[in-house]
Amino acid sequence: QKEVEQDPGPLSVPEGAIVSLNCTYSNSAFQYFMWYRQYSRKGPELLMYTYSSGNKEDGRFTAQVDKSSKYISLFIRDSQPSDSATYLCAMSVSGTSYGKLTFGQGTILTVHP
Amino acid sequence: GAVVSQHPSRVICKSGTSVKIECRSLDFQATTMFWYRQFPKKSLMLMATSNEGSKATYEQGVEKDKFLINHASLTLSTLTVTSAHPEDSSFYICSAKGLTGGYGYTFGSGTRLTVV
Repeated sequence: QKEVEQDPGPLSVPEGAIVSLNCTYSNSAFQYFMWYRQYSRKGPELLMYTYSSGNKEDGRFTAQVDKSSKYISLFIRDSQPSDSATYLCAMSVSGTSYGKLTFGQGTILTVHP
Repeated sequence: GAVVSQHPSRVICKSGTSVKIECRSLDFQATTMFWYRQFPKKSLMLMATSNEGSKATYEQGVEKDKFLINHASLTLSTLTVTSAHPEDSSFYICSAKGLTGGYGYTFGSGTRLTVV
């Protein structure tokens, strides 16, 4: 069993839709949770970061963490064609400089006009 | 914000040659840098963790003699793929975490290596 599971999709939605991206994990030691967006042939860019259960909102993006269920989600409201990318969840045990990230497989999202 | 510059963005080399990829933190000091490999439509796989001034820590299954990592300063880490073969063709990405200034790993833009 992989430490982090993410539905690879692909996911195709119309512009304006609400998108839900999800990851489950098995390692209860994970304490820090991130969502990255990666455009084709580019490095990932950090979208959201959280370390506690609950919701965190930033503009059209909401990150949700449920540590009891080992489940995290990213919601994108009013999705735009520019949101089309691969979304990667990532987790780490430690928040220090030595805390390495474990990534999910990535979900390919396409938002069509 | 923190910027990590990775160079080159794309390189084609002949089988048997070596290729060096550079990763620089432009506006912060990176105590730790990570090197990843990514296959098409796949996630990032951590290859090694490099700490400034010390030897890199390689993940299981990664050949340290083939993938040489040097982190000689707080702003520069290099990955050298030695005696490259076609199966080494991949997308290589570095990331860095600074000394201070909040959480978050900043990624470079990646290097597309093609070995012919």
